[in-house]
Amino acid sequence: AQSVTQLGSHVSVSEGALVLLRCNYSSSVPPYLFWYVQYPNQGLQLLLKYTTGATLVKGINGFEAEFKKSETSFHLTKPSAHMSDAAEYFCAVSKIWNNQGGKLIFGQGTELSVKP
Amino acid sequence: DVKVTQSSRYLVKRTGEKVFLECVQDMDHENMFWYRQDPGLGLRLIYFSYDVKMKEKGDIPEGYSVSREKKERFSLILESASTNQTSMYLCASSPQGGTEAFFGQGTRLTVV
Repeated sequence: AQSVTQLGSHVSVSEGALVLLRCNYSSSVPPYLFWYVQYPNQGLQLLLKYTTGATLVKGINGFEAEFKKSETSFHLTKPSAHMSDAAEYFCAVSKIWNNQGGKLIFGQGTELSVKP
Repeated sequence: DVKVTQSSRYLVKRTGEKVFLECVQDMDHENMFWYRQDPGLGLRLIYFSYDVKMKEKGDIPEGYSVSREKKERFSLILESASTNQTSMYLCASSPQGGTEAFFGQGTRLTVV
């Protein structure tokens, strides 16, 4: 069975500091991996995704993530945090079933706080 | 842009009521999903549908049912609302063969 674990339910960084949000997955098949962001009282917005090819994936708002198969990890990073990055972040794995995508298994979420 | 619209942002219902949550997508996607979001648990899949009139149970279907009479619309039904169904509900859609899901704004349901 597939699963996703996000390490740390709350992460706090100072403005301008490195952001690192950790995600580990388990999957018996090559996974499709995603990071979504949720701002207060909003739906989920896709930050970036890994399907195949280059293991370093760049997304919106300066975020990137690296797929490391040997470590079963897909950590999200941003070199310099901005106040507007404060939100909840979800890592997810997608299982392809009957040639269909979009059925996502989510981690528990990590709330990012950014201090001035 | 893909647009997934949920009919209500906030709902307050009484215990025992039958509740309908509506979701419409405008991108002709084959797949539609209903998730429930609770603090510390992330999002959990309730039901999904890969075609009109087709439905599959997700991880937590108990107490819920769904209806998909038209391709663009996917309804979640709480047959008899209970307080433990107080939650944020998120609808999503994806195209056939696609890899990612597109989400609506969510409906925050409170059952009193």
